[in-house]
Amino acid sequence: DQQVKQNSPSLSVQEGRISILNCDYTNSMFDYFLWYKKYPAEGPTFLISISSIKDKNEDGRFTVFLNKSAKHLSLHIVPSQPGDSAVYFCAASAGGADTDKLIFGTGTRLQVFP
Amino acid sequence: DTGVSQDPRHKITKRGQNVTFRCDPISEHNRLYWYRQTLGQGPEFLTYFQNEAQLEKSRLLSDRFSAERPKGSFSTLEIQRTEQGDSAMYLCASSLVSGFQETQYFGPGTRLLVL
Repeated sequence: DQQVKQNSPSLSVQEGRISILNCDYTNSMFDYFLWYKKYPAEGPTFLISISSIKDKNEDGRFTVFLNKSAKHLSLHIVPSQPGDSAVYFCAASAGGADTDKLIFGTGTRLQVFP
Repeated sequence: DTGVSQDPRHKITKRGQNVTFRCDPISEHNRLYWYRQTLGQGPEFLTYFQNEAQLEKSRLLSDRFSAERPKGSFSTLEIQRTEQGDSAMYLCASSLVSGFQETQYFGPGTRLLVL
């Protein structure tokens, strides 16, 4: 049972345009959501997070939106740069319990072309 | 801040051999997690420690896997009698629990290939 889903395996965007990566979840106990970026042969790098008490969080070029009623979140990258080309993972946790283990989606490969 | 480090970065072994991986978390982080990632999938939780106590183990962690964090600092993950299905990237993450939610920071991973 895939609790966190990233239905788009890949996305191609022109440099300077907006990249929108989507993520859906099924577990209503999730209350903390994170986006990680991963280059080949490296570990995931934390990008941005959002708590379930918010619906938007911004950090520079990155904005995460959360729609709790739809159990959907998205990551917006504006403007997209070639260095943003990587695999992006959405992750969720049910904090407040004894563990904050992360449940990951399967990733979306973003390619930003000139 | 030196980040999470893992050693070795790559390991090739023959089926049936034992392997051990090490993870050094960010200093003062009290939680340490192990995940496994296979091709085309996101990382999957294996186990985690709060200080030196191992508090949860996934069903993915068979009896051949054992993890320790003896002094609440570095951790080791050992796989006994490796199988080809153990081939994966093994990721370590650490976090500091200081509120309601925590952010986990990952190391570079150890890529294991079992022949």
